Amino acid sequence: DAEITQSPRHKITETGRQVTLACHQTWNHNNMFWYRQDLGHGLRLIHYSYGVHDTNKGEVSDGYSVSRSNTEDLPLTLESAASSQTSVYFCASSERSGGYGYTFGSGTRLTVV
Amino acid sequence: AQKVTQAQTEISVVEKEDVTLDCVYETRDTTYYLFWYKQPPSGELVFLIRRNSFDEQNEISGRYSWNFQKSTSSFNFTITASQVVDSAVYFCALSGVTSGSRLTFGEGTQLTVNP
Repeated sequence: DAEITQSPRHKITETGRQVTLACHQTWNHNNMFWYRQDLGHGLRLIHYSYGVHDTNKGEVSDGYSVSRSNTEDLPLTLESAASSQTSVYFCASSERSGGYGYTFGSGTRLTVV
Repeated sequence: AQKVTQAQTEISVVEKEDVTLDCVYETRDTTYYLFWYKQPPSGELVFLIRRNSFDEQNEISGRYSWNFQKSTSSFNFTITASQVVDSAVYFCALSGVTSGSRLTFGEGTQLTVNP
């Protein structure tokens, strides 16, 4: 069965370190997204991609970067982790515009100490 | 710009009570899509419903029902005869045609159903 997986599920890192969160989907979706979830803010869009070699900034992109070298993967990198980036991160993919087939990963809980 | 507002941060009810979760949205798009997601304590996001802007018919699925009113820009969610298993955070979300597949989420409503 097709799926979208995130790794790791939990991560603790130190301030200033570079961290990469993985997202892999086997739906063959062109659209992929990264959101962060914080109490009182719901989920906010960090970066997104509509296809290979396409990346775009979302509303809270400062301090984050993504790359899309194939259809299946959209890794999220925190260049220099900060305590404000402690959050739960969700990766998602979708079949096409309009939210068709929107699928979320199980989330990565990141703690920056 | 798009915006989704869920004014109810927390709701607490007793089992078997009916409960309505409010969602108000803003968009300049004439074609858009509205969603509800459930996030149980385990943390995953569970899709509940997707509704497009041209379909204002209310929908019922078991104990769940949704009331979509374009005139008031609202997409409210009602749980009838609530159960403890309904305890979760519920998110309303919006995707406009000009935003591609990008979802704009509300802040979420924490629903607690007490036995």
